[in-house]
Amino acid sequence: EAGVVQSPRYKIIEKKQPVAFWCNPISGHNTLYWYLQNLGQGPELLIRYENEEAVDDSQLPKDRFSAERLKGVDSTLKIQPAELGDSAVYLCASSLGGQDGNNEQFFGPGTRLTVL
Amino acid sequence: QKEVEQNSGPLSVPEGAIASLNCTYSDRGSQSFFWYRQYSGKSPELIMFIYSNGDKEDGRFTAQLNKASQYVSLLIRDSQPSDSATYLCAVSSLYNFNKFYFGSGTKLNVKP
Repeated sequence: EAGVVQSPRYKIIEKKQPVAFWCNPISGHNTLYWYLQNLGQGPELLIRYENEEAVDDSQLPKDRFSAERLKGVDSTLKIQPAELGDSAVYLCASSLGGQDGNNEQFFGPGTRLTVL
Repeated sequence: QKEVEQNSGPLSVPEGAIASLNCTYSDRGSQSFFWYRQYSGKSPELIMFIYSNGDKEDGRFTAQLNKASQYVSLLIRDSQPSDSATYLCAVSSLYNFNKFYFGSGTKLNVKP
């Protein structure tokens, strides 16, 4: 079974440019997460989807970040315009979801963003 | 106060020894507890999860949960150099089963 797929793996842009990341979760996983991870830190949640609904986006900087999960499968995270401080690894994760267990999260390989 | 606290390390153990990694959490009602391993430059990989008080063993790994003391630990027996990585503790919120809080991780070095 394929794991979580992310692209691109690496992205280098200049500040003020836009950038987009794509994620395809594990088949059948209803819950999808976008995290940001800085060096030496744990993942920090940006947004969580239950199917196509964004149920937790309290940590998403909405002035420059946006996300969508059309049809409840693939998801895209966008930054516009990017700032120097956005340089980090952007991780996508998915889980089966639900409230009766099976909430183990599985991560994709991540996208390493460098903003110059 | 952070939701999940871990000693950043590095924790250094000789090959073949037992490595003990600890994690404390602040939400007394937390329900699910996870250990992830993260190699440098890679994404986190789930290695253990535990839901009930006590011990859970999987090969060389044992997760221990003590809800009364609000800590969870990971023991790695017969440590190997390939176990050298950062270990992240994650806790699932009582109020939202699918919301995780991650610690900053403990770096483990296993010396040959």
